[in-house]
Amino acid sequence: NAGVTQTPKFQVLKTGQSMTLQCAQDMNHNSMYWYRQDPGMGLRLIYYSASEGTTDKGEVPNGYNVSRLNKREFSLRLESAAPSQTSVYFCASSVDSGTGYGYTFGSGTRLTVV
Amino acid sequence: DAKTTQPNSMESNEEEPVHLPCNHSTISGTDYIHWYRQLPSQGPEYVIHGLTSNVNNRMASLAIAEDRKSSTLILHRATLRDAAVYYCILRHANFGNEKLTFGTGTRLTIIP
Repeated sequence: NAGVTQTPKFQVLKTGQSMTLQCAQDMNHNSMYWYRQDPGMGLRLIYYSASEGTTDKGEVPNGYNVSRLNKREFSLRLESAAPSQTSVYFCASSVDSGTGYGYTFGSGTRLTVV
Repeated sequence: DAKTTQPNSMESNEEEPVHLPCNHSTISGTDYIHWYRQLPSQGPEYVIHGLTSNVNNRMASLAIAEDRKSSTLILHRATLRDAAVYYCILRHANFGNEKLTFGTGTRLTIIP
């Protein structure tokens, strides 16, 4: 049981380049999330998908887009990367949103924008 | 949004119990109290959660004050592997209002 799988694990981009971070879960969870974590800080929610076919903005959505491709997969796209988007990105999933269920996190994607 | 307050850091001796406090004085009636921990270079890991009653699982215990304005995560016998940043988080139980907000957490150091 892999849990939440994120690819790639590391990436270096030049300013203005685009890329998509991939996330897949195999736990049949309904809800999925994208967070970013900057050095010395807690996680901040970028976007989430409460269920297949729905997406909503979190605390810091500017500069990002998301796609809930199916129940398993939730991707995060940076259309034109900026140095301020240098961060560690975590994908998470949960049985459901709006309940007391815990989250399962992936191991993260470390992104550097130069 | 309801927020939590935790000490920035704590130290504990190996094989002793650890009590990690969290204040959440503006908690609402539908907020669940969640605890996660993050080991170095890893994603956060779910530890435990509760609503009103104290909770126990294989990892830890969660003691919730009667007025729910504070809680304590209890590690019964700390090991070196418990050294991590511990986050206390309030999770709203309103469908479609997902705002699981992480603070800066408590960095727990275990002394051998």
